[in-house]
Amino acid sequence: QKEVEQNSGPLSVPEGAIASLNCTYSDRGSQSFFWYRQYSGKSPELIMFIYSNGDKEDGRFTAQLNKASQYVSLLIRDSQPSDSATYLCAFSTGGFKTIFGAGTRLFVKA
Amino acid sequence: GAVVSQHPSRVICKSGTSVKIECRSLDFQATTMFWYRQFPKQSLMLMATSNEGSKATYEQGVEKDKFLINHASLTLSTLTVTSAHPEDSSFYICSARGTTNEQFFGPGTRLTVL
Repeated sequence: QKEVEQNSGPLSVPEGAIASLNCTYSDRGSQSFFWYRQYSGKSPELIMFIYSNGDKEDGRFTAQLNKASQYVSLLIRDSQPSDSATYLCAFSTGGFKTIFGAGTRLFVKA
Repeated sequence: GAVVSQHPSRVICKSGTSVKIECRSLDFQATTMFWYRQFPKQSLMLMATSNEGSKATYEQGVEKDKFLINHASLTLSTLTVTSAHPEDSSFYICSARGTTNEQFFGPGTRLTVL
């Protein structure tokens, strides 16, 4: 079983819709969870982090964490074509390493 | 968020030469730095983890004598690709982590070996 599972996509949503990206992880000791956005040809950019169960909102982004079910999700409201990118989820157990998923490609249609 | 710089952003070199890539944390002290490689349309691949003043820890399959990593200070790590070959052509990305768990990436270095 992979440590982090993400649907590779592409996930296609119309402009203005809500994009929902999901991620499951295997290590129950995981403490910190992150979402990165990576545009084609660029390096990843941290957009959200969440440490506690529940929702965390930042602008159009909401991260949701459910440790009991071992999943973390990212909702993007009012999706824009500029949100089209690959979204990587990642987690850390508090040690040196952060484990990254392979990413979900999101395409927002104008 | 914290800023991490990388230099150069793009390098083209001849086969057999060595290339050095610098990674700097500009506004925080990076206790841990990471080096990744990414081939087109593929996911990030962690190459090594380095802590300031210590030897780097390399991932399985990554040759430590080919990819030399030096983490000389809390703001600087370097990756040297020795005797580069065309198969080493890739996008090399560093990231840095300070006292919190968040990891911040540099802009990446695109290496092309002719």
